[in-house]
Amino acid sequence: GDSVTQMEGPVTLSEEAFLTINCTYTATGYPSLFWYVQYPGEGLQLLLKATKADDKGSNKGFEATYRKETTSFHLEKGSVQVSDSAVYFCALRDNTNAGKSTFGDGTTLTVKP
Amino acid sequence: DAMVIQNPRYQVTQFGKPVTLSCSQTLNHNVMYWYQQKSSQAPKLLFHYYDKDFNNEADTPDNFQSRRPNTSFCFLDIRSPGLGDAAMYLCATSRDLGQGEGEQYFGPGTRLTVT
Repeated sequence: GDSVTQMEGPVTLSEEAFLTINCTYTATGYPSLFWYVQYPGEGLQLLLKATKADDKGSNKGFEATYRKETTSFHLEKGSVQVSDSAVYFCALRDNTNAGKSTFGDGTTLTVKP
Repeated sequence: DAMVIQNPRYQVTQFGKPVTLSCSQTLNHNVMYWYQQKSSQAPKLLFHYYDKDFNNEADTPDNFQSRRPNTSFCFLDIRSPGLGDAAMYLCATSRDLGQGEGEQYFGPGTRLTVT
């Protein structure tokens, strides 16, 4: 079945540091890929997405590129802020299986001033 | 502005006492989902509705039921909550199921406590 593996957390960085959160996936077919962010006590918010190979999703300084050859969708940001502290979930949506989504286990990011 | 609304945000129920969680959407999306999220874990899909068609995940316990009386509303019914059902319950919608339609919009969640 489909699966998503995320870099284990927690990740703690200083403000303005470079962020990478690794995400790899296993899927049949051609999934769409997503990064969601969850702030404390809230639901998930879509951060960015990519629907086909080599697409780059970007939003609020975050980027991720859909790499079919390495089955990866790593999240990056050049300079993190304290307000980026949250849990980040990588997810795939199998477009051939009634649109079922599979989430990674989440990576907790803490950014210190 | 709120697009996916969940009520209540916090719900306390007693062991074995039926409870209903509510979700509404202003997006006119075809698909509505219910997820269970336990602390520090990934959201787990319980079921989804595509319009009026109900799709249950194979491992969703019978204790969990859902109703979608119209496009805008969807309910999660827990018939006899156990202590293990304490979790955050997330409602989400998507416009459709096909390629490019998969972006899900999540509500803020309802945190359920079972005493």
